[in-house]
Parts: sequence; structure tokens; C-alpha cells
Amino acid sequence: DIVMTQSPDSLAVSLGERATINCKSSQSVLYRSNNKNYVAWYQHKPGQPPKLLIYWASTRESGVPDRFSASGSGTDFTLTISNLQAEDVAVYYCQQYYSTPNTFGQGTRLEIK
Amino acid sequence: EVQLVESGGGLVQPGGSLRLSCAASGFTFSNYDMHWVRQAPGKGLEWVSAVGTTGDPYYPDSVKGRFTISRENAKDSFYLQMNSLTAGDTAVYYCARALHGVIPAALFDFWGQGTLVTVSS
Repeated sequence: DIVMTQSPDSLAVSLGERATINCKSSQSVLYRSNNKNYVAWYQHKPGQPPKLLIYWASTRESGVPDRFSASGSGTDFTLTISNLQAEDVAVYYCQQYYSTPNTFGQGTRLEIK
Repeated sequence: EVQLVESGGGLVQPGGSLRLSCAASGFTFSNYDMHWVRQAPGKGLEWVSAVGTTGDPYYPDSVKGRFTISRENAKDSFYLQMNSLTAGDTAVYYCARALHGVIPAALFDFWGQGTLVTVSS
């Protein structure tokens, strides 16, 4: 199984500042034939289902504010939230869909400082 | 509007069984692979099973042999039959629609609100 490891486990950022979450996969999730990284990012708020933010490692889902951006390739990936808003408080998960079983990172809890 | 609505969760004794349902609407259900993902209390997300458009099932080792996924395209619904439940199966179970990937690997663009399964005596 591909293990997805996120860092940090939690972080506190001031409103209007930038939050950066890292995700490392235990093996490459870059599919050479199409040059796509099979990584997604989700936002999960209490009492709600997870919300897809990013797929193909850097493609924003429709309707997601452009404050959310992501990058990375191979085994190292980053989610960046710029101009942090109060509504961004949540747990964020990365996920690989390169191979079965689908696996998620352990989650990063984002709070306001 | 895409909607996924789970039902069937509840309290069950260790060794017992439970059947979850997920009713879909707002999209052509038969065209999509569908999945179950769970979240145990205080834990992260864990993929539980997938069913392809033609009904092919997929499971991780943690539930293989105990859980059975199925679908009824005529009813825009799919199901998760859970047997031999243990305390480790206690979780909120989400149904989710697959996007991209090659089944069972997929990412999930729509999720239900979740249904709580509690395994306890």
C-alpha cells in the first residue's frame, strides 16, 4: 500500500496569512504515460462530508477559491492556502489514487492563531 | 444537484451485521463507479469498498470477506452489507462518487453526509 504522510499534524495561522501543508507518498504517484500525479486534497469540516479541493495534484475543483493552490510531483506535494479566512478552519487530507487501495494522509488540523 | 444520502447506520453488537444504503440523485448513476469511505472516531479517512458501473466489487484487505458491496442501477442506489462486525468497524461511513482514476483507485468528487455505525455490546 502507498503510505501518505502529512506534515505538520496541526498548525495555527493568523487570519490573512498563508498556511502550507505537506504530503509525502511512500512511492511515486506520477503516471509516466500521461505525466499526471494521482493526488487529491480534501477539506473536512466537523459535521460535514469531505470536500474535494484539488486533483491531479494541482487542478482546483470547480468552485474552490483561488486562495487554495497545490503543487508537487512524484512523492512530494504541497497544499497552500493564501489569505487565510476563518471558514478555512478544517482538517485537510491528501489522497493518492494511483493504485489500490486508495489511501489518505493522516490529516492536518488547521486552526486560526 | 448531485446528492448522495446514506441510511442504515446504527448500533450493532460485535459479530453482528448491518446493511448500509446510499441513494443517489442529480446525475446518471449508472455511469459512475461508487465507493464507501469511513472515518473512525478521532481517526482519518479509510477507503472501504468500491463498485464498478457493471457491479464489480473491490475491497481493501481490512474488510475483504466480511463486507459486500452491490448496486441497483434501476434504483440509483448502492449498498454495503457488513458482517462479522468488530469494534474496529465503528465509524462514520460515507458514500462517495468516483472521479478519475482506474477503479478501484479513484478520487471522490461528491460525498454523502455519512451514517454512523457503532459496534458495541
